[in-house]
Amino acid sequence: GAVVSQHPSRVICKSGTSVKIECRSLDFQATTMFWYRQFPKKSLMLMATSNEGSKATYEQGVEKDKFLINHASLTLSTLTVTSAHPEDSSFYICSASNRGSGNTIYFGEGSWLTVV
Amino acid sequence: DQQVKQNSPSLSVQEGRISILNCDYTNSMFDYFLWYKKYPAEGPTFLISISSIKDKNEDGRFTVFLNKSAKHLSLHIVPSQPGDSAVYFCAASENFGNEKLTFGTGTRLTIIP
Repeated sequence: GAVVSQHPSRVICKSGTSVKIECRSLDFQATTMFWYRQFPKKSLMLMATSNEGSKATYEQGVEKDKFLINHASLTLSTLTVTSAHPEDSSFYICSASNRGSGNTIYFGEGSWLTVV
Repeated sequence: DQQVKQNSPSLSVQEGRISILNCDYTNSMFDYFLWYKKYPAEGPTFLISISSIKDKNEDGRFTVFLNKSAKHLSLHIVPSQPGDSAVYFCAASENFGNEKLTFGTGTRLTIIP
């Protein structure tokens, strides 16, 4: 079964609204989670590193005010796409590694965001 | 700047034959490599990994080869099965335990029954 779970799997929102995507580690605690984004037929691109109890670290070119990340507990990170625009439509995936299990990196199921 | 490249966007292989997926990288700091399988609208599933201290790692039908001097790795699947049809991504990180991954562009593998 899934060890990293994302919710929702699909979401449609109107332009200008905000949408929150959750990433949970189910059987382990993760002090660090990662958020990736994938455009159709493209590679997964790392957006940011989510750090429990502190600010997220964003990759170059990713707007931190647009993609708000909160890692309030050891099992939950959230990505909020603020003031969404159609170009934000994409597949968002999170990952976390279980350091108690050989550092295996697990990915969530992904979340399809469509902004209309 | 694509630091991890998979130059074949697609590959078709007869069932039972060997599938070979290739991956090249440019960042000499990468020393841990992973292969993932991905279906549409799902997260990647880990297949196999290799650290730069090795040149081969095998797990069942999957073998990964690493040529560090050429900055090249390949994934061999033998025998190929219809269930192997998916998009395969190679990924790299700067060391084992570093969870920040840089992904290649993916290769869509189709196994022909």
